[in-house]
Amino acid sequence: DAGVIQSPRHEVTEMGQEVTLRCKPISGHNSLFWYRQTMMRGLELLIYFNNNVPIDDSGMPEDRFSAKMPNASFSTLKIQPSEPRDSAVYFCASSLAGGQHTQYFGPGTRLTVL
Amino acid sequence: KNQVEQSPQSLIILEGKNCTLQCNYTVSPFSNLRWYKQDTGRGPVSLTIMTFSENTKSNGRYTATLDADTKQSSLHITASQLSDSASYICVVKMAAGNKLTFGGGTRVLVKP
Repeated sequence: DAGVIQSPRHEVTEMGQEVTLRCKPISGHNSLFWYRQTMMRGLELLIYFNNNVPIDDSGMPEDRFSAKMPNASFSTLKIQPSEPRDSAVYFCASSLAGGQHTQYFGPGTRLTVL
Repeated sequence: KNQVEQSPQSLIILEGKNCTLQCNYTVSPFSNLRWYKQDTGRGPVSLTIMTFSENTKSNGRYTATLDADTKQSSLHITASQLSDSASYICVVKMAAGNKLTFGGGTRVLVKP
């Protein structure tokens, strides 16, 4: 398996623009997670899905952030409009259902908002 | 408040030497504790997962311990190699849901 696939790997955009990050989880995994990592705050869970259904989005910082999972093999995280403080590395991870399973992380998308 | 504290924040060791990283948590109710290794520019990779009933688990040269009574865990790296240079993150999962609480990580640098 190719592992969790994220695109793009790097994104540079200007403040106010819409940004869409994409994730393809490992085939057969039922849970998908979106994380944000910064030097100041470390890794933070933004939202997670079980069987394509959002379960906990309490980590989504504000209404500018939205996430969707239209099917078992694809998810998006959208920021509209983007702001410089959104600059971070965004990770997608997937796992089998159930909290005892390992989460497998993708390579991340490094977002820079100018 | 559910927290995970790691120490030290960073350390430098010579190749071939051993080191131990510490993790204290206040997350409750507890489900499991994980150690992840994150290389620069990469996503975290799981090293171990330990439940309440497990007090030690090894993965190659990595050995994790857990004391659920004192809410402490450690990660011991034996005979360090240059490839061990990375950040090591302690993560605790609550009993309910899938939410993980992350420590700030320990940055390890192994020098030849």
